[in-house]
Amino acid sequence: GNSVTQMEGPVTLSEEAFLTINCTYTATGYPSLFWYVQYPGEGLQLLLKATKADDKGSNKGFEATYRKETTSFHLEKGSVQVSDSAVYFCALVVGTGNQFYFGTGTSLTVIP
Amino acid sequence: GAGVSQSPRYKVAKRGQDVALRCDPISGHVSLFWYQQALGQGPEFLTYFQNEAQLDKSGLPSDRFFAERPEGSVSTLKIQRTQQEDSAVYLCASSPRDSGRGETQYFGPGTRLLVL
Repeated sequence: GNSVTQMEGPVTLSEEAFLTINCTYTATGYPSLFWYVQYPGEGLQLLLKATKADDKGSNKGFEATYRKETTSFHLEKGSVQVSDSAVYFCALVVGTGNQFYFGTGTSLTVIP
Repeated sequence: GAGVSQSPRYKVAKRGQDVALRCDPISGHVSLFWYQQALGQGPEFLTYFQNEAQLDKSGLPSDRFFAERPEGSVSTLKIQRTQQEDSAVYLCASSPRDSGRGETQYFGPGTRLLVL
């Protein structure tokens, strides 16, 4: 079937630290991969996406590379800020399908 | 422009009551989705509309759940005879096209339902 596995949180980092949130997937077809972010009190927002192998999605200093050989889409940021504190969700959709499959989310807290 | 809006934002229901949750998608978006998010979990798919047609309802957990989008814009998710296990955040999302690889879905803020 289709599923996403994220590293468990919560994650607490100091400001300017390096961030990695691991995400691996299983899919019955060729997926597109997404990272969504949920800031406190707000809805899910698209952070970045990649639709084919070796693509790199990037936004707001965050990056993730679609690795088909390791079925992974790890999220990275070189220097986190307090404002990055949120819950991060990895997700996939298979082919031209419409149903998103989400991971369980990883809570990130950045302390000054 | 306006994003996806949902109402009410919070709903408390007594077990056995019927509830109706509303979603206003982004204007012109063809596709509309409902998800259920339990506490500490990721969203799980419930159902999908393309315009007014409900093309996939495979995620609806029981026949107490019913969704409609009669004019291809606003959608309502109805839950009959609510149970405590229905307590969750219900998310609505829309996307501009009816298909296509890697289409982004735009999410509303959700309705938090608590069944007592």
